[in-house]
Amino acid sequence: DAGVTQSPTHLIKTRGQHVTLRCSPISGHKSVSWYQQVLGQGPQFIFQYYEKEERGRGNFPDRFSARQFPNYSSELNVNALLLGDSALYLCASNPDSANYGYTFGSGTRLTVV
Amino acid sequence: AQSVTQLGSHVSVSEGALVLLRCNYSSSVPPYLFWYVQYPNQGLQLLLKYTSAATLVKGINGFEAEFKKSETSFHLTKPSAHMSDAAEYFCAVRANTGNQFYFGTGTSLTVIP
Repeated sequence: DAGVTQSPTHLIKTRGQHVTLRCSPISGHKSVSWYQQVLGQGPQFIFQYYEKEERGRGNFPDRFSARQFPNYSSELNVNALLLGDSALYLCASNPDSANYGYTFGSGTRLTVV
Repeated sequence: AQSVTQLGSHVSVSEGALVLLRCNYSSSVPPYLFWYVQYPNQGLQLLLKYTSAATLVKGINGFEAEFKKSETSFHLTKPSAHMSDAAEYFCAVRANTGNQFYFGTGTSLTVIP
């Protein structure tokens, strides 16, 4: 079975631009979460979606938004990119309860120049 | 609020030696605790989880962790280190409300041949 897949794997953007990151969860998993991992730090929670509804939002500015589609895939959008948005963006999925832990994708490495 | 603290950002052990990675949690209620491993340029892989069952939790690759409420700790151990264990290790706690995880800052494990 395919794991959590993210695209693209690497991305370079210029300050002020917009970016869209994509995630496909494991088949049958209805919950998708997004995390930002800055170099040298642990992942920070951005969003969680379950059954296409937002279930949680971390302490990130409104420039960050996300959505989940009927097939449970998800997009993370970031507007007006800043240098500080450079990070590894991780998508994670699980069936319906975080008690069982998440399965993470390999991430999208975003570099803002 | 929940949080975890990982003591020691870098740990070095000799091949075959005991691995001990420390994690202390802060939670007002019994927590759900997790250990993840991250290899270079990859996402996070779940090693093991504690969800209020047995206090000694066995995970993959020979790792285990013991939940000690009196010490608010969830340290990760492995009796004999292998070269392939070299990676970044993250301790995480699930939020009491919502499904977000709070990750520690990580411990980089180096295994010396």
